[in-house]
Amino acid sequence: KAGVTQTPRYLIKTRGQQVTLSCSPISGHRSVSWYQQTPGQGLQFLFEYFSETQRNKGNFPGRFSGRQFSNSRSEMNVSTLELGDSALYLCASSLSGTDYNEQFFGPGTRLTVL
Amino acid sequence: KQEVTQIPAALSVPEGENLVLNCSFTDSAIYNLQWFRQDPGKGLTSLLLIQSSQREQTSGRLNASLDKSSGRSTLYIAASQPGDSATYLCAAPNRDDKIIFGKGTRLHILP
Repeated sequence: KAGVTQTPRYLIKTRGQQVTLSCSPISGHRSVSWYQQTPGQGLQFLFEYFSETQRNKGNFPGRFSGRQFSNSRSEMNVSTLELGDSALYLCASSLSGTDYNEQFFGPGTRLTVL
Repeated sequence: KQEVTQIPAALSVPEGENLVLNCSFTDSAIYNLQWFRQDPGKGLTSLLLIQSSQREQTSGRLNASLDKSSGRSTLYIAASQPGDSATYLCAAPNRDDKIIFGKGTRLHILP
């Protein structure tokens, strides 16, 4: 069974640009969560999607948005990039995202904002 | 509000020794706790998931315990090997189902 895949693996953007990251969950998994990881803040929850609906959201500005498609693939968009958005963006999939469900992570997308 | 703490932030241990990594959480109303491993620049690999009704889970040389009453979980690694060198993170949900991660313990096994 293929694991969680994320594309692209690396991105370099400049301030003010926008970026879209993609995540394909494990086959059969319907929940996709997104996280931002930085050396200073560690792993922080961005949002979770289940059956094409945002089910939960972390404390990030509206520049961070996402969506999920009918095949459970998810995209995350960041608009008007800032230097502080440089981070490793990780997505995780689980069967349903509720109790008892183990989360499986992708390799991440390393975003550098210049 | 759930807070997850991992102490120490870094640990060096000679190869072959047994070791314990610690994770504490402030809200004991959790339904599970998960331990992960992260190699530099990579994603997270799930190691063990402990349900709230369980007290421990084992996988090979790894054993994770959960004590909800004291707000603590430990990850025991037996007979450590250089390949165990990585950052170990624990994660617990808060009351609105967001997963909260600790900052991790950076483990270095000395050959």
